[in-house]
Amino acid sequence: EPEVTQTPSHQVTQMGQEVILRCVPISNHLYFYWYRQILGQKVEFLVSFYNNEISEKSEIFDDQFSVERPDGSNFTLKIRSTKLEDSAMYFCASSRTGDYNEQFFGPGTRLTVL
Amino acid sequence: DQQVKQNSPSLSVQEGRISILNCDYTNSMFDYFLWYKKYPAEGPTFLISISSIKDKNEDGRFTVFLNKSAKHLSLHIVPSQPGDSAVYFCAASAIGGAQKLVFGQGTRLTINP
Repeated sequence: EPEVTQTPSHQVTQMGQEVILRCVPISNHLYFYWYRQILGQKVEFLVSFYNNEISEKSEIFDDQFSVERPDGSNFTLKIRSTKLEDSAMYFCASSRTGDYNEQFFGPGTRLTVL
Repeated sequence: DQQVKQNSPSLSVQEGRISILNCDYTNSMFDYFLWYKKYPAEGPTFLISISSIKDKNEDGRFTVFLNKSAKHLSLHIVPSQPGDSAVYFCAASAIGGAQKLVFGQGTRLTINP
């Protein structure tokens, strides 16, 4: 069964450093997403991406964040200058179509900012 | 932001009985609802969904009911099995909302043998 994969599973970084989280969505999916879950809190939407551009982004997704689909398979989330409050689980998701279609989630990357 | 609420943080059910998880929403623009299951250290796993034109959707042991007038949905699992022990999230999206999912806080379901 096809699945979304994410690397690394755990990333530890110093405050102010740049991190890139990587995802390989399901191959025939066209819509891609990033969510995050701070420990003990809800899963929160960050950004959606379709046709090589951002469809929607949340207020969390400020100028420190960017997304890219550098080739036909990878989807990345970059945080330029990490803050302590960026520590969270980051989930990548993909869906075959847009509306009325379930999103499939990857296992997540745990980001720890020291 | 409390657009989607799961008021029960935990639920304990005997194996073989019915588990009922509840979810309320406030945004009347929501028209597609999903339930996800999550185990520790894993991503959410899709279980079942329902669009606002329906009031019930069934898939094996899982049934989702939608009451639009009450802005309430529920997930029924019957019979409950030990492997169903997990955190269950309700999520919603709005037409034209760029497919953004809004999640509830989750309910931890424990199935007792």
